[in-house]
Amino acid sequence: ETGVTQTPRHLVMGMTNKKSLKCEQHLGHNAMYWYKQSAKKPLELMFVYSLEERVENNSVPSRFSPECPNSSHLFLHLHTLQPEDSALYLCASSRSGTGDSPLHFGNGTRLTVT
Amino acid sequence: DAKTTQPPSMDCAEGRAANLPCNHSTISGNEYVYWYRQIHSQGPQYIIHGLKNNETNEMASLIITEDRKSSTLILPHATLRDTAVYYCIVRVYIDSNYQLIWGAGTKLIIKP
Repeated sequence: ETGVTQTPRHLVMGMTNKKSLKCEQHLGHNAMYWYKQSAKKPLELMFVYSLEERVENNSVPSRFSPECPNSSHLFLHLHTLQPEDSALYLCASSRSGTGDSPLHFGNGTRLTVT
Repeated sequence: DAKTTQPPSMDCAEGRAANLPCNHSTISGNEYVYWYRQIHSQGPQYIIHGLKNNETNEMASLIITEDRKSSTLILPHATLRDTAVYYCIVRVYIDSNYQLIWGAGTKLIIKP
């Protein structure tokens, strides 16, 4: 039990599909993050939410759309993805959104775009 | 770009101390060094962080050189479950927020 739960663990979708990734944290943290981990590339920060407000958006294509309805839940809505979007998508949380407290990660969703 | 350099892989015998080096020669005075590890099929796990002084917790020790240009993570008694990719990261301050700049890490294999 990591305190951060991601569903589904695996997802295969076609380029015309719409799907959503879900993340839930049980740690009472105020900030949540989406990271992308591609093969042979470092972790890339995609989005940061602090107290349910988006504070970071690292030039991510609009086909990725985050949603943070409350401080415990985070979604990543996917539509018209490309095969190069296949990767491990990791959710994380931390006490504060300014980056000065350690991150707690979920185990990720392995996404394959066909 | 990552501000750290780590060896791509290392081996260590079970029960021995694993010493993982990291170079961060361009680190600034107020930038912290963080260590995370990622076990296969899991998300990264926080281990330890430090600024100038050596740090120790229940998982590991962090030794930072006096000039802060390098550091070493020490797992005192490595077990098979410590096999993972270990990331040495410098936390930088960009656009009013702290960010972790991840590199490729060191794949540590603990051998029986």
